[in-house]
Amino acid sequence: DQQVKQNSPSLSVQEGRISILNCDYTNSMFDYFLWYKKYPAEGPTFLISISSIKDKNEDGRFTVFLNKSAKHLSLHIVPSQPGDSAVYFCAASDVHYGGSQGNLIFGKGTKLSVKP
Amino acid sequence: GAGVSQSPRYKVAKRGQDVALRCDPISGHVSLFWYQQALGQGPEFLTYFQNEAQLDKSGLPSDRFFAERPEGSVSTLKIQRTQQEDSAVYLCASSSWGGDSNQPQHFGDGTRLSIL
Repeated sequence: DQQVKQNSPSLSVQEGRISILNCDYTNSMFDYFLWYKKYPAEGPTFLISISSIKDKNEDGRFTVFLNKSAKHLSLHIVPSQPGDSAVYFCAASDVHYGGSQGNLIFGKGTKLSVKP
Repeated sequence: GAGVSQSPRYKVAKRGQDVALRCDPISGHVSLFWYQQALGQGPEFLTYFQNEAQLDKSGLPSDRFFAERPEGSVSTLKIQRTQQEDSAVYLCASSSWGGDSNQPQHFGDGTRLSIL
């Protein structure tokens, strides 16, 4: 059973508007959450992360919100730009190896298209 | 370069052949991970190294898969007697030592393996 779910395979947004990507998880032991962006034929690029002790983390146009009671996180991109068009993966981790973060559990991804 | 480097980028092999995939992590990164990504899916964890020690190999799908990192830097993922279901993108990621804080994993561009 999938522990990290991204229920929307795709999302289309107009340039300049807000993009909201959603992610749900089932494992209450997850304590670190990340968003990665992936272009075709490239590896995932780290975008932003949040620890379970926080409910919001912001970095420029990107904000991640965490709702632990609902086991839900979301990524907001404001304003959206055509260069943001990519597949976005949500990932979570609950394993620590002596201080270093453990392996990530990924969702299946959401393909974002930002139209000019 | 500054990022995680993987080679080859593409590998085609006949069923039954052995293959070796290389990963050169970011300099100084203690942690190294291998993931397998099937088409339309998120990456799935294979194995983890902390320096030269392989601390977790729970994700390796069979005993045909073997990974090593003998000097705590470059890592090799070897697949023996390849089968068609081994066809996937193999991603390598590295992260720095975080102590009490979480550190994101940084990915290479992957090796696309095709088994004929």
